[in-house]
Amino acid sequence: ETGVTQSPTHLIKTRGQQVTLRCSSQSGHNTVSWYQQALGQGPQFIFQYYREEENGRGNFPPRFSGLQFPNYSSELNVNALELDDSALYLCASREDRAWEETQYFGPGTRLLVL
Amino acid sequence: AQSVTQLGSHVSVSEGALVLLRCNYSSSVPPYLFWYVQYPNQGLQLLLKYTSAATLVKGINGFEAEFKKSETSFHLTKPSAHMSDAAEYFCAVSDRYNTDKLIFGTGTRLQVFP
Repeated sequence: ETGVTQSPTHLIKTRGQQVTLRCSSQSGHNTVSWYQQALGQGPQFIFQYYREEENGRGNFPPRFSGLQFPNYSSELNVNALELDDSALYLCASREDRAWEETQYFGPGTRLLVL
Repeated sequence: AQSVTQLGSHVSVSEGALVLLRCNYSSSVPPYLFWYVQYPNQGLQLLLKYTSAATLVKGINGFEAEFKKSETSFHLTKPSAHMSDAAEYFCAVSDRYNTDKLIFGTGTRLQVFP
């Protein structure tokens, strides 16, 4: 049990739609990162938020965006869904006492785009 | 730029046998290295991490890994496999200044036969 929860667990959308995925971290975890894991692949870094501001982005287009809230929850929003967006989306959070603190992953949201 | 290569997408061992999962990394800066395990329909759990202290790193569940700079390797081993070790294993690299931005390999699926 990592203390990181994600909702929903599964989601089906159609191409062109928009989706919001949610992550709830432990109290005190001010850093949250999002990853996309396509089937049969390792996770890929989407972006990171620190104290409600984006703090680094991987190679993902602007239609992937995020929000982080003061209550240690966060969202990943994807606009104009494409078939290739079908994947497991993972969030990970950690305390910001030190940058080498371990980050804890949630169980993920599996998104299917038809 | 950083990357990791996991040799062998599938590894099969008998219960009680040695587990060896291979990971080679590429990094232009001193790396931090990680091994994560993913059980079916779950998120990622940290097994162990190398952060430039001891080159032999001991993790949870009896796993350990040795950082070998000359070979750019960070192979994961366990002396005696258990049935419960069957899972997907991911090697990941980051630089020491942004340990949240992990670059993952493509994973190795470990099967354990009775």
